[in-house]
Amino acid sequence: GESVGLHLPTLSVQEGDNSIINCAYSNSASDYFIWYKQESGKGPQFIIDIRSNMDKRQGQRVTVLLNKTVKHLSLQIAATQPGDSAVYFCAETEGLQGAQKLVFGQGTRLTINP
Amino acid sequence: KAGVTQTPRYLIKTRGQQVTLSCSPISGHRSVSWYQQTPGQGLQFLFEYFSETQRNKGNFPGRFSGRQFSNSRSEMNVSTLELGDSALYLCASSPWGTGYNQPQHFGDGTRLSIL
Repeated sequence: GESVGLHLPTLSVQEGDNSIINCAYSNSASDYFIWYKQESGKGPQFIIDIRSNMDKRQGQRVTVLLNKTVKHLSLQIAATQPGDSAVYFCAETEGLQGAQKLVFGQGTRLTINP
Repeated sequence: KAGVTQTPRYLIKTRGQQVTLSCSPISGHRSVSWYQQTPGQGLQFLFEYFSETQRNKGNFPGRFSGRQFSNSRSEMNVSTLELGDSALYLCASSPWGTGYNQPQHFGDGTRLSIL
């Protein structure tokens, strides 16, 4: 859905633990989803994407799960490290073919405790 | 390969002025999109350009405009600046655009402050 809110949800995890960041999207017609990581002072950095014809995709230390039935997306980060501290955004596509845009979620701040 | 480059990184303007921001996409990328990021509204889509044509536009007033050049570089312009225009303006590029299931790659943005 549209990005809203000044106060980001926050997730704190211990270094070495696994993290799960959740995202609810609004458009049942969305066919492509992306997770981004944004560190302070930088632009969003692409992490992983998934198409609507898949329910799981794995990358290096990250896994994205897509549940279209409940319009839910999650990002799992294995063995979190201090460098994983950032704000994480999910994004979905919206619009007509050839003129689509990305719609971002509000973001989740991930903090890694030593 | 060089990433998306945005200039300048920081800008301070006063109300009523206008501003032009620049974006150089990743080499070979033909789609450039612009976003506004604020603490209150998050990341919001401004517009997308492809082959020098605006292909999509978000819900922003006409004071926000853009253009793309033949080398895919893009500029956005904001006229008659208002205090609420203070934000981080992000540019993102991809080979063909969002509708082709390709991730957009972002620059580090231009931080615009309106006094």
